[in-house]
Amino acid sequence: DTGVSQDPRHKITKRGQNVTFRCDPISEHNRLYWYRQTLGQGPEFLTYFQNEAQLEKSRLLSDRFSAERPKGSFSTLEIQRTEQGDSAMYLCASSSTAGPGGYEQYFGPGTRLTVT
Amino acid sequence: AQKITQTQPGMFVQEKEAVTLDCTYDTSDPSYGLFWYKQPSSGEMIFLIYQGSYDQQNATEGRYSLNFQKARKSANLVISASQLGDSAMYFCTGNQFYFGTGTSLTVIP
Repeated sequence: DTGVSQDPRHKITKRGQNVTFRCDPISEHNRLYWYRQTLGQGPEFLTYFQNEAQLEKSRLLSDRFSAERPKGSFSTLEIQRTEQGDSAMYLCASSSTAGPGGYEQYFGPGTRLTVT
Repeated sequence: AQKITQTQPGMFVQEKEAVTLDCTYDTSDPSYGLFWYKQPSSGEMIFLIYQGSYDQQNATEGRYSLNFQKARKSANLVISASQLGDSAMYFCTGNQFYFGTGTSLTVIP
């Protein structure tokens, strides 16, 4: 059972460029989440999908951010016209709604974005 | 919406001792859950323990237990017999969208 994977692990980009991150969840998980985390803070929710449907988006997710999960499997997060304030760790997590319990999330290693 | 508060930015504990990390929540949801996650310096968030609001007993998972007090709206994490590997950030979350600010735990040998 492979865990959640994210690609790339590190990305350095110049201000104004577009970047895209990929997340591959645990295969049987139907929910997928994106978070942003800056140093010393907890993860900030960005958006989540159940299968291919994007069910909730945070107000943090400006119109420069877009996320997709076209076939209900992997997901991409794109940031257009990056700004220095976008520098952060971007975390992806997945969970399953099958079975009892609270749908705990399994996190990937994150993609660290640095905007210069 | 749910609000999570962790008031201890940093905690220290002697190896083999028990430690309690505080978490309070505020929600209007009649049914909710509380989760704790650990984030070591390596960065990857790890699920530790879950408590449902209707669960009759406090959750336990190995050395982790949840001291759930509904009337006080608190869901404190208790780590027994602390180990050096427990040194990490610990986050509490309710609906799993919104995390607390975390507590940095350092285990002293």
